[in-house]
Amino acid sequence: DIQMTQSPSSLPASVGDRVTITCRASQSISTYLNWYQQKPGKAPKLLIYAASSLRSGVPSRFSGSGSGTDFTLTISGLQPEDFATYFCQQIYRMPRTFGQGTKLEIK
Amino acid sequence: QVQLQESGPGLVKPSQTLSLTCTVSGTSITSGGYYWTWIRQHPGKGLEWIGCISYSGTTYYNASLKSRVTISEDMSQNHFSLKLSSVTAADTAVYYCAREYGAGVAFDIWGQGTLVTVSS
Repeated sequence: DIQMTQSPSSLPASVGDRVTITCRASQSISTYLNWYQQKPGKAPKLLIYAASSLRSGVPSRFSGSGSGTDFTLTISGLQPEDFATYFCQQIYRMPRTFGQGTKLEIK
Repeated sequence: QVQLQESGPGLVKPSQTLSLTCTVSGTSITSGGYYWTWIRQHPGKGLEWIGCISYSGTTYYNASLKSRVTISEDMSQNHFSLKLSSVTAADTAVYYCAREYGAGVAFDIWGQGTLVTVSS
């Protein structure tokens, strides 16, 4: 299975900050990498697909980059509604696998 | 718009079979290009892909659960189902159904999730 490792696990930040979350795959996955946002008690929501494509309706302050094994999710100008848990996920191979999550917390 | 809704018992006894259904509205499960997927999340933990069924009926399972999992579809009811046998407390989780768009792009539509507790 392809292992996905996110860092950090927890990220304290303030409204207006620019933050970056990193995801590393245990083998090359090209750009078959997605990012999801999850709020407590809710299902995850797709933010970024194919490493850098912003899903329609997602604010442009979210961006993704990377290819191969190293990927980043950047949020520029944090808003109050952005405090949530973020997961990366590879869709290169079965079984689909997720990172362990990064909890973005209010500093 | 496309919506998914999980249904099934919220409490299952150890050693029994967990059965959930995901009802799809707004599109047909036989539409080409999608995988209909089950994912679970243990309390306070990450996400675990359980498996999926394609629009053509082909199934894919996580090897860690493969011996206990069956995913099937009912075209007449436009739903797909999950059966997980011989459950233990370790199977207590929120179970989500989701649509994998483009059979290799992303999970673009999710159900709201349903908590299943395994307990006697």
